Order: sequence, then C-alpha cells, then structure tokens
Amino acid sequence: KAGVTQTPRYLIKTRGQQVTLSCSPISGHRSVSWYQQTPGQGLQFLFEYFSETQRNKGNFPGRFSGRQFSNSRSEMNVSTLELGDSALYLCASSSPTGPETQYFGPGTRLLVL
Amino acid sequence: QKEVEQDPGPLSVPEGAIVSLNCTYSNSAFQYFMWYRQYSRKGPELLMYTYSSGNKEDGRFTAQVDKSSKYISLFIRDSQPSDSATYLCAYRGGSEKLVFGKGMKLTVNP
Repeated sequence: KAGVTQTPRYLIKTRGQQVTLSCSPISGHRSVSWYQQTPGQGLQFLFEYFSETQRNKGNFPGRFSGRQFSNSRSEMNVSTLELGDSALYLCASSSPTGPETQYFGPGTRLLVL
Repeated sequence: QKEVEQDPGPLSVPEGAIVSLNCTYSNSAFQYFMWYRQYSRKGPELLMYTYSSGNKEDGRFTAQVDKSSKYISLFIRDSQPSDSATYLCAYRGGSEKLVFGKGMKLTVNP
C-alpha cells in the first residue's frame, strides 16, 4: 500500500507570495492532518480534516488555510508569506479504525526569502 | 507549564548501549501515547503506540507509560548506528490533535 505522498518536496518563495502544498493520504484514510516543523518550535499542529470538514485547528494565523477534497486529498495554502514561515510542512493521515495513530508523508520543505 | 516536555538532548552513545528517552506531560486528558522516529530529511514514522500504563515491547524497543506520574519513556536495547535519528514523543486525547515533544536527536556511534 502506498504511503502518504506530498508535493512538491522543496519550494522556494519570496516574502509576500502565497503557496499551495498538496497531500495524498494512504488509500482508505479519510483523516488528514497538517503540521509545521521548525528547529525552534518542533512539530506544531496546523489543522485536521475529515470527510472534507475541518475537525481541529491549531494556533496559527488565518494566513494558513486548508481544504480536503472528496477523494481525501488535501491542500494547504499559506498567503502573504513571511520569513518565519520557512519550515518543513508535514501531512499525516490516519485510518477510521485507528485514529490515534498517524502516518506521515516526507514533507514539503519551504524556504521563504 | 508546557503540555509536553521532552529531554532536549542531543544524545550520543556507543553501539550496543541501552538508550533511555523520556517525556513528561501535564494534560490528564491524554489517552494515547506514541513514539515517532524521524530520520534526517524524512517525515516521522510511528515506532510504538500504547494507551495503558505499563510496558510494551517490540523487538529492541520498550515503551513505558506511567499515567500517575504523567511520564513516558522509550528504551532501546543493543542500540545500532541505524537507530541514529530524532525521537519524538506524542500524545493524543480522544479526538483531540496530536501533541508532540520537541524531539531528541540520538547518535549511535559504531
């Protein structure tokens, strides 16, 4: 079974631009969560989607948004990029029978210049 | 008080050593306890998962949970250079989000 895939793997943007990241969960998984990982703050939860609905949200500004499609694929958007948005963005999916465990993708490394 | 505190490290040990990684938490609602391993430039991978106090073994790895003290540990026996990675503890309460420790970088020297 294929794992969680994320595209693109690497991205360089400049301040003020916006970016869209994509995540395809493991087949059959309907829950997708997004995390931001930085050396200083570690892994921080952004939001979780289940059946196209946002189920949980972390403490990030409104510039960070997401959505989920009917096939469970998810996108995350960051508008008006700031230097501090440089991070590894990770997507994770979990199955209905095991929501307490999450399986992560390789991440998208975003550099904001 | 932070929800999760993890020993900051880094930790460097010789091959074959027993490694102990620790985390404490403050939220009594946490029900599920996990350890993730993250290799450089990769996403975290689930290593062990438990929801009860006590020990859980999986090969060279043992996860220990003490709910009364709000303390979890991961022990690695006969550590190998391939165990060199960052280890993250994580908790989840009911349908709430996963909360991660900041991670400890482990290096096992041959």
